[in-house]
Amino acid sequence: AQSVAQPEDQVNVAEGNPLTVKCTYSVSGNPYLFWYVQYPNRGLQFLLKYITGDNLVKGSYGFEAEFNKSQTSFHLKKPSALVSDSALYFCAVRDMGRRALTFGSGTRLQVQP
Amino acid sequence: GAVVSQHPSRVICKSGTSVKIECRSLDFQATTMFWYRQFPKQSLMLMATSNEGSKATYEQGVEKDKFLINHASLTLSTLTVTSAHPEDSSFYICSARDRYRGQETQYFGPGTRLLVL
Repeated sequence: AQSVAQPEDQVNVAEGNPLTVKCTYSVSGNPYLFWYVQYPNRGLQFLLKYITGDNLVKGSYGFEAEFNKSQTSFHLKKPSALVSDSALYFCAVRDMGRRALTFGSGTRLQVQP
Repeated sequence: GAVVSQHPSRVICKSGTSVKIECRSLDFQATTMFWYRQFPKQSLMLMATSNEGSKATYEQGVEKDKFLINHASLTLSTLTVTSAHPEDSSFYICSARDRYRGQETQYFGPGTRLLVL
């Protein structure tokens, strides 16, 4: 069975500093990986995805993620954090059989001014 | 593009009543929609996969007679919580895959918060 792990419940970073939100995965076969962001009482917004190709994927709002096959990781990064980036971030992997997404437990990002 | 709406955004009902939640893809066709449930401070858990014109596929442990899903058209799926109880209180989120564009990406609705008294 596939799984996604987000080892950090919360990440705190100062505005202007780089941020990293960690994600590791376990799947059989080639992974389809996603990052979503959720603001309070809202649904999920798509940030970026890795299907194939370049290991560095660029997405919305200046976010990027690096696919590392040997480490089975797909960490989310941003060079300079904004206070408005504060939200709940979910890493997900697509279930090739059901086509649904399996989500990690989420990481709350808090950017301090 | 790729907007998904849900209605209502919030509903409060008495125990024993049924509640219908609508999920619509506004600017694309979705042969497949997914229904998720999210408890406070937890991740999303897939409840069922809704397929246009056919029966939904439910995840293990999800009662199909309690959570009725109807995917009557390429832009609408409904989730009906029948005989709701307080333990059904949760945040319900749907997602849809664009039939013609990037089927790997799911677009999520804003969610429906259900509170059963």
